[in-house]
Amino acid sequence: DTGVSQDPRHKITKRGQNVTFRCDPISEHNRLYWYRQTLGQGPEFLTYFQNEAQLEKSRLLSDRFSAERPKGSFSTLEIQRTEQGDSAMYLCASSGGLGTEAFFGQGTRLTVV
Amino acid sequence: ELKVEQNPLFLSMQEGKNYTIYCNYSTTSDRLYWYRQDPGKSLESLFVLLSNGAVKQEGRLMASLDTKARLSTLHITAAVHDLSATYFCADQGYNTDKLIFGTGTRLQVFP
Repeated sequence: DTGVSQDPRHKITKRGQNVTFRCDPISEHNRLYWYRQTLGQGPEFLTYFQNEAQLEKSRLLSDRFSAERPKGSFSTLEIQRTEQGDSAMYLCASSGGLGTEAFFGQGTRLTVV
Repeated sequence: ELKVEQNPLFLSMQEGKNYTIYCNYSTTSDRLYWYRQDPGKSLESLFVLLSNGAVKQEGRLMASLDTKARLSTLHITAAVHDLSATYFCADQGYNTDKLIFGTGTRLQVFP
């Protein structure tokens, strides 16, 4: 499979717990993005990487959120001390460069109870 | 503030009819993307529009870009049930890679 892969697909966690999601981009893509989508809304940008460098972070990304892409390949998104408002679909995408289309993974659906 | 506005938000149309979804964007990047999303699924790339007057067609869908009006349209020709989904346009801000999405247009095609 050469598409963007995300793991896990679903995660249910108790409020206050930490969760970590993984994204494997398309292998030749150097740009990787994280978005969050709540029900009935369009995706909202969280952050993106070019290779291992995190180039931009949204104000939505509070200090409870951290993203890494240590070797410029896969990326992780960690949420600490989860809150019910964090419940959403977390989407990862990758692209080959500016002005090229971004391909999205299947997403990780997070439910905080 | 960077904004992308789509209308209509919801569209119910009969099979065989034509309709247009409108997308107004606010940046000057003039890079506009269209995606399709089925319920509970991820986003499927439909079109990438990179220049004024760009027009792309795939099957019953045709997308166009007017950078002077900062407007993109997605035209549906002779709709079929398989086109039922939510359609998003997304603007790629100037000098940035991030996509700013509209709220989506939920399309329902009935017999």
